[in-house]
Amino acid sequence: GNSVTQMEGPVTLSEEAFLTINCTYTATGYPSLFWYVQYPGEGLQLLLKATKADDKGSNKGFEATYRKETTSFHLEKGSVQVSDSAVYFCALSDGGYNKLIFGAGTRLAVHP
Amino acid sequence: DGGITQSPKYLFRKEGQNVTLSCEQNLNHDAMYWYRQDPGQGLRLIYYSQIVNDFQKGDIAEGYSVSREKKESFPLTVTSAQKNPTAFYLCASLSGVDVNTEAFFGQGTRLTVV
Repeated sequence: GNSVTQMEGPVTLSEEAFLTINCTYTATGYPSLFWYVQYPGEGLQLLLKATKADDKGSNKGFEATYRKETTSFHLEKGSVQVSDSAVYFCALSDGGYNKLIFGAGTRLAVHP
Repeated sequence: DGGITQSPKYLFRKEGQNVTLSCEQNLNHDAMYWYRQDPGQGLRLIYYSQIVNDFQKGDIAEGYSVSREKKESFPLTVTSAQKNPTAFYLCASLSGVDVNTEAFFGQGTRLTVV
């Protein structure tokens, strides 16, 4: 079956450091890939998405590239801020009402 | 503004009580979902509904019940049969089944057994 695996957290960084959160997936079809972000005490918000191989999703300085050859969708940001502290979820969808699969989430803590 | 509203934000339940969590959306989405989130864990699907008057069990439906009498509303009842209900509950919706469709989430309800 389909699955998503994320690097375990927490990830602790100083402000302006480079961020990478690894995400790999297993899927039988051609899924779309998503990164969602959850700020403390809130629901999830879509951060970015990519719908086909080699697509790059980007938003708010975050980027992720859909790599079919390595089945990966790693999240990166060149310079993190304290306000980026949150839990980040990688997810995939291959269509259908019951086909949205989430990873376990990675907590990011950014210190001044 | 369109969105999903969950209420209440915090809910306390006594042992043996049933409680109902509200989820309302004005996005005109067909599909609605309930997820449970435990500390340090991902999202686990409880129930989902594709259309009014129809719903399906997810991965952890035992001890929960839902209804879908209106397109806008998808309440979740946590019954006394759910032995460990303390968790953060998230409601979500999807506009369709296209692979590119993103999910929209409510702000969540934190349920605590006292």
